[in-house]
Amino acid sequence: AAGVIQSPRHLIKEKRETATLKCYPIPRHDTVYWYQQGPGQDPQFLISFYEKMQSDKGSIPDRFSAQQFSDYHSELNMSSLELGDSALYFCASGSSGSYTGELFFGEGSRLTVL
Amino acid sequence: DAKTTQPTSMDCAEGRAANLPCNHSTISGNEYVYWYRQIHSQGPQYIIHGLKNNETNEMASLIITEDRKSSTLILPHATLRDTAVYYCIVRGLFSGGYNKLIFGAGTRLAVHP
Repeated sequence: AAGVIQSPRHLIKEKRETATLKCYPIPRHDTVYWYQQGPGQDPQFLISFYEKMQSDKGSIPDRFSAQQFSDYHSELNMSSLELGDSALYFCASGSSGSYTGELFFGEGSRLTVL
Repeated sequence: DAKTTQPTSMDCAEGRAANLPCNHSTISGNEYVYWYRQIHSQGPQYIIHGLKNNETNEMASLIITEDRKSSTLILPHATLRDTAVYYCIVRGLFSGGYNKLIFGAGTRLAVHP
């Protein structure tokens, strides 16, 4: 079965550079969530989309932005990167019509800022 | 969403049942209890969820107390592959579907031979 696809899996950037992470949800899923997980920390919610509209916002820095496109894939844009942005970034997708409300997570994109 | 409290860590012998407790004393009537787990740096994985009745699936059982202020996740026959961080999450609904998952400090379960 198709899973959530994230790219790139690994990314190395310098401070003050820009990075873009992509997420391709499971087909027919209408919600996307982004999470950031720093070393030794629990996943922190950043932002979510429902039917291509932002539905909720968490502790996402102003330097970060995200959007969901017409084909439901989503991109997380991070600018003016800081050392503290080094983390695993997870994307999850779900269906608002699901009985379980289960979210399916991708394998994550590991961002390293030098 | 309501806050949850879980033990920091637990141990379990392989083949034995693992019982992971969770307190959620401020849960609202329309909030569900979800359990997810994260195996080292992989994406979190859904295990089970419930509202007020006990639930069972192929992975685990969920026991929710009658007052809904606490619950227990049961892995009936733990294996080494069950070693992971287990998160108990209380989650409500919104008009556009399901609310976000808020991951608190979960329980690090270590299954040993």
